Amino acid sequence: DSGVTQTPKHLITATGQRVTLRCSPRSGDLSVYWYQQSLDQGLQFLIQYYNGEERAKGNILERFSAQQFPDLHSELNLSSLELGDSALYFCASSPSGSYGYTFGSGTRLTVV
Amino acid sequence: EDKVVQSPLSLVVHEGDTVTLNCSYEVTNFRSLLWYKQEKKAPTFLFMLTSSGIEKKSGRLSSILDKKELFSILNITATQTGDSAVYLCAGTDMDSNYQLIWGAGTKLIIKP
Repeated sequence: DSGVTQTPKHLITATGQRVTLRCSPRSGDLSVYWYQQSLDQGLQFLIQYYNGEERAKGNILERFSAQQFPDLHSELNLSSLELGDSALYFCASSPSGSYGYTFGSGTRLTVV
Repeated sequence: EDKVVQSPLSLVVHEGDTVTLNCSYEVTNFRSLLWYKQEKKAPTFLFMLTSSGIEKKSGRLSSILDKKELFSILNITATQTGDSAVYLCAGTDMDSNYQLIWGAGTKLIIKP
């Protein structure tokens, strides 16, 4: 167990639907990062939060949004889902001022 | 645009062989390069390299950075089937709030 908890582990949903992925960072880590990894693709950075505030945005679609709550857990909301959104979504956390990422085990999203 | 390129994309060797994985980078205001191992799920941290020419070693794995030629290599000696994984490298810059710029990975398969 890495200390970063992601739920659910698997999610199957239909096109056009909306889902919420949840991440609890490692204790003490203030930064949360969301990544998308499609089949045989590298990790695509989506968004970063630091202590409740959005810090940086990557290639995140407008249909996707995220937030980090006061208890530091984070949620990634994916709406109007398309088949191409099927992927593994990772959350990672790190302490303040560190590249020491710890990844969660990911949520595998399948859009049918 | 910053980028990290890994080669080869995939590699199949026999148990006991030695492999060298390559990672080249073009990162403005480069800070460091990180190596991760991804088996079935979450990437796990291997090394962080910041200084040119200094080898980092952990068991049969070692890595070195060349900041003049802008690349890093990851060596695995006496490979075992448990080394089969995707190996990811990522660059960091001075400005980016601890985001990583990821390569696409090298898929390494070790045959018994």
